Amino acid sequence: DAKTTQPPSMDCAEGRAANLPCNHSTISGNEYVYWYRQIHSQGPQYIIHGLKNNETNEMASLIITEDRKSSTLILPHATLRDTAVYYCIGNSGNTPLVFGKGTRLSVIA
Amino acid sequence: ETGVTQSPTHLIKTRGQQVTLRCSSQSGHNTVSWYQQALGQGPQFIFQYYREEENGRGNFPPRFSGLQFPNYSSELNVNALELDDSALYLCASSLIGRTSGRTTYEQYFGPGTRLTVT
Repeated sequence: DAKTTQPPSMDCAEGRAANLPCNHSTISGNEYVYWYRQIHSQGPQYIIHGLKNNETNEMASLIITEDRKSSTLILPHATLRDTAVYYCIGNSGNTPLVFGKGTRLSVIA
Repeated sequence: ETGVTQSPTHLIKTRGQQVTLRCSSQSGHNTVSWYQQALGQGPQFIFQYYREEENGRGNFPPRFSGLQFPNYSSELNVNALELDDSALYLCASSLIGRTSGRTTYEQYFGPGTRLTVT
């Protein structure tokens, strides 16, 4: 699995867009970029994944650079309930998920 | 809600004892993965069960073992508990395609079992 690098923490004002960066310069061609989040004391929750095209769903948007060395998860209108640890994971789908320490996002009222 | 349930929610055991944790997978899923999450760390992969067989294992000793049942529910057993086994134990269900052999893109996690070893 590709090793990913994320900032340890970020703050975001409620109602503003939260942009969470991830570097994955060693990602291979068949590895997707997955994002999960974990709200305090709960199990991780799948958010979105992508290979090379930008993706959007009801929770978030994922922007992947053309060289696939980095990506950004965008929560368009962050709420207090989005406060969580966000994990960026490179995975081919045939191996276990490898979680790093993620980014602790604090949404502030 | 993911449809993945785990029991018990919390558990306190003494060093040297044995523990069994249980997980019911989401309807339609045939694979269960177990993770250990120490305080302040990301989840670490223990092993995965697919069609009642172990289908991959992380860097955990043999005293961590598991089972998967015909209904795809699963158990995690830990023998000879050590203080460092204190953690949140998570299970995640997913679907491996029978023809493709490929896992679906997302795993659905349960709420976890908080194990404390004293």
